[in-house]
Amino acid sequence: AQSVTQPDIHITVSEGASLELRCNYSYGATPYLFWYVQSPGQGLQLLLKYFSGDTLVQGIKGFEAEFKRSQSSFNLRKPSVHWSDAAEYFCAVGALASYDKVIFGPGTSLSVIP
Amino acid sequence: EPEVTQTPSHQVTQMGQEVILRCVPISNHLYFYWYRQILGQKVEFLVSFYNNEISEKSEIFDDQFSVERPDGSNFTLKIRSTKLEDSAMYFCASSPGQGADRELFFGEGSRLTVL
Repeated sequence: AQSVTQPDIHITVSEGASLELRCNYSYGATPYLFWYVQSPGQGLQLLLKYFSGDTLVQGIKGFEAEFKRSQSSFNLRKPSVHWSDAAEYFCAVGALASYDKVIFGPGTSLSVIP
Repeated sequence: EPEVTQTPSHQVTQMGQEVILRCVPISNHLYFYWYRQILGQKVEFLVSFYNNEISEKSEIFDDQFSVERPDGSNFTLKIRSTKLEDSAMYFCASSPGQGADRELFFGEGSRLTVL
């Protein structure tokens, strides 16, 4: 069965500092990986996705993520965090070759100190 | 830019009442989903819908829940007899296809409060 873990429940960083949010997945087939962001009271916005090809993917708002099959990881990074990046971040995994559901991780809450 | 729209944005209901949450997916999308998020918790899969039938459902999606695509544009989630624990944000999502096209586009959500 699919599963996603995000080991960090809450992270606090200073504005301008670099950020890495961890994500590990478990899935038997070729995974289709996503990062979504949710601002308070808002819906889910896709930051980036990976399904094949270059294992380093670029997303919106200056985010990138690296797929490492050997570590079953898909960590999200940003070189310099802005105060507006404070939000909840969800890693998600789906099956590449079917209409199967996408499963979300528990989320990491990011706080940014001015 | 096309988007998934959901109504109502917030609904308050009494326990035991029926609730219908409505979604208008992006027009050329083929796959439809409902997720829910209890306050402060993770986003949980409820049901997926393709070709006018349920393709998969979770343990949460019991006999009190049903989905329908009545007119080719709306996609509804019905809860027949609401319970307190149904209070959550419900997200509708749609996807254009499989493989590389499979990206879920989410609506802004419908907040359900059961009293």
